[in-house]
Amino acid sequence: GESVGLHLPTLSVQEGDNSIINCAYSNSASDYFIWYKQESGKGPQFIIDIRSNMDKRQGQRVTVLLNKTVKHLSLQIAATQPGDSAVYFCAETGSGNTGKLIFGQGTTLQVKP
Amino acid sequence: DVKVTQSSRYLVKRTGEKVFLECVQDMDHENMFWYRQDPGLGLRLIYFSYDVKMKEKGDIPEGYSVSREKKERFSLILESASTNQTSMYLCASTTAGANTGELFFGEGSRLTVL
Repeated sequence: GESVGLHLPTLSVQEGDNSIINCAYSNSASDYFIWYKQESGKGPQFIIDIRSNMDKRQGQRVTVLLNKTVKHLSLQIAATQPGDSAVYFCAETGSGNTGKLIFGQGTTLQVKP
Repeated sequence: DVKVTQSSRYLVKRTGEKVFLECVQDMDHENMFWYRQDPGLGLRLIYFSYDVKMKEKGDIPEGYSVSREKKERFSLILESASTNQTSMYLCASTTAGANTGELFFGEGSRLTVL
C-alpha cells in the first residue's frame, strides 16, 4: 500500500543552525510532493511543493530536495528561527489523479534559543 | 484573506451522541476534505467531496458520514460517537484541478468522547 513516513518524530536544533527534515515515501508512481507546517493550535499550512521532474526547489529560507531513486524527500530550513518551531508533514498525491493527499506522520521541530 | 472556518474548536460529547462538525470556506473551492489527526499517525482522510451533493470515502470512513448541500459548507457527522473517535478533526479545501497540493486548512476541532 501507499505510505509516507518521516525518519524522526522529533528534531531539536539551535537557533541559527540549518534544519533538515526527512521523509521517505513508498509509491514510486507519485509525481507531486508537498511540505506542510503546523504550528501549535493551528491547522497545517502549505510551505513548498515539488514535482517529480525536479530534484530541487527553493523558497524563502526553505529548500525541498527530491531523490526519486531512493524515494526520499527532505526539507531544509536555513538559519532556523524560533518561529520555525512546529510539526512538519510531508505529503504526496499517490497514484492516480484523485487530488487526495497522503500525509506522513509528522516531525516536531524544536528550536533552542 | 482566504479562510476555512470550523464551527467548534473544542467539543466534549458522550458515547452514543450524534455529533456534527461544521466547516465553511469562503474561497469558492470545489474540493473539500475531512481529516482526523492523531499522535503518531499523522493526518488520515475520512471523506472528501468534489462538488455539491457529492461525496467520496477516504481511508477511514467507518463511523462517519458527511453532507455537502452547499458549495461552501462541508459537514462531518458522527452518528453515534464512540471513545475511539476522540481526536483532532481538520477540514480543508482546495480548488479543482490535477495535483493541487495547496490545501487550505481550518484550525481544527478537538473532540473528546467520554
